[in-house]
Amino acid sequence: SQQGEEDPQALSIQEGENATMNCSYKTSINNLQWYRQNSGRGLVHLILIRSNEREKHSGRLRVTLDTSKKSSSLLITASRAADTASYFCAWRSNSGYALNFGKGTSLLVTP
Amino acid sequence: GAVVSQHPSRVICKSGTSVKIECRSLDFQATTMFWYRQFPKKSLMLMATSNEGSKATYEQGVEKDKFLINHASLTLSTLTVTSAHPEDSSFYICSAGLSYEQYFGPGTRLTVT
Repeated sequence: SQQGEEDPQALSIQEGENATMNCSYKTSINNLQWYRQNSGRGLVHLILIRSNEREKHSGRLRVTLDTSKKSSSLLITASRAADTASYFCAWRSNSGYALNFGKGTSLLVTP
Repeated sequence: GAVVSQHPSRVICKSGTSVKIECRSLDFQATTMFWYRQFPKKSLMLMATSNEGSKATYEQGVEKDKFLINHASLTLSTLTVTSAHPEDSSFYICSAGLSYEQYFGPGTRLTVT
């Protein structure tokens, strides 16, 4: 299976706190992406980090990538109730075209 | 740009019947489309990769005779779940490839009763 691990599987925090989610993958990658999915809905692309990048920022999002450990993290700062969703990392291997997804983290932000 | 649609968004069918799900790239041509399946509270699992004009490539464990994929044009791929069973109930998501990026459809919720 190409599926990686994400931790935590579920995370519950209060508004204003930061949320950190981690992702590990198994293959050499070209890039790694993070997606958000509201319950029962489609995917929303959040951010892409290339294999030669170590950190990337976009608004309240900060993504890191450690290719030596085959891991990535997504930090959401100053969380809001509207951030409640499932978050998935996804990667494309050097030899593939399709995206492979991590198991996801279910984030609950309470007011 | 780069919008992908799926139809229907929800479908309920009876056991033993077949159901077709369409995936369309609305404003671009996609030589490659992908089909994923997602169980409740689980991640997306790649089912198959379809290339326009050729047979789909199925992932290990996915029955090609049960999940028929047709990619007849550069903007349309269809997934037909044949002889559906309740265990086929799931959320099916397609994506279309453009310049080595993938754009996802909104998904189709299939319920088999």
